[in-house]
Amino acid sequence: GAVVSQHPSWVICKSGTSVKIECRSLDFQATTMFWYRQFPKQSLMLMATSNEGSKATYEQGVEKDKFLINHASLTLSTLTVTSAHPEDSSFYICSASVFSGSGSPLHFGNGTRLTVT
Amino acid sequence: KQEVTQIPAALSVPEGENLVLNCSFTDSAIYNLQWFRQDPGKGLTSLLLIQSSQREQTSGRLNASLDKSSGRSTLYIAASQPGDSATYLCAVGEGGSEKLVFGKGTKLTVNP
Repeated sequence: GAVVSQHPSWVICKSGTSVKIECRSLDFQATTMFWYRQFPKQSLMLMATSNEGSKATYEQGVEKDKFLINHASLTLSTLTVTSAHPEDSSFYICSASVFSGSGSPLHFGNGTRLTVT
Repeated sequence: KQEVTQIPAALSVPEGENLVLNCSFTDSAIYNLQWFRQDPGKGLTSLLLIQSSQREQTSGRLNASLDKSSGRSTLYIAASQPGDSATYLCAVGEGGSEKLVFGKGTKLTVNP
């Protein structure tokens, strides 16, 4: 149980275009999902907390107008990288927990490798 | 600001060896600590979760310990196998939320 599906697993796009990444909780409802970014040989860094039915909470230094997050249902959160640039090339991973705020284990998607040319 | 450090950055061992991965964190006021496994180009698999009130957790050949006062955790892997080869990430949960602060990981290679 507790499967998180992320799509696509990889995407290549041209500079200036937008890319949407989906994160779905397949067998549970997630009121909160998290979006992380990982650069090569670096730690995963939290970008934003996605809350169902409300605005996302962004970490310091993350541009909310560039990384649009929508959490329209209890099983789906999307991250849209707008006007992508080569420096946005990274590994993006989402996560969700079964019980919000309880310190229960987080379950991660398989990630999306974004390459901007 | 919480910082998580993992040592060593990389480790190569022969099959069958017992090994220890280390994780340290700067702020002892943590909510929990979680160890993950990450295979190349893949997402994360949760291995063990230790709540702040606990001192260790075990799952199969894995044992994780937590010493909050010293800001340290260790992941012990017994009788390592080639299939254990992966990057192991330590992450600290803060303040009752589910925000995690990650270390850079230890890349483990188990040679047959």
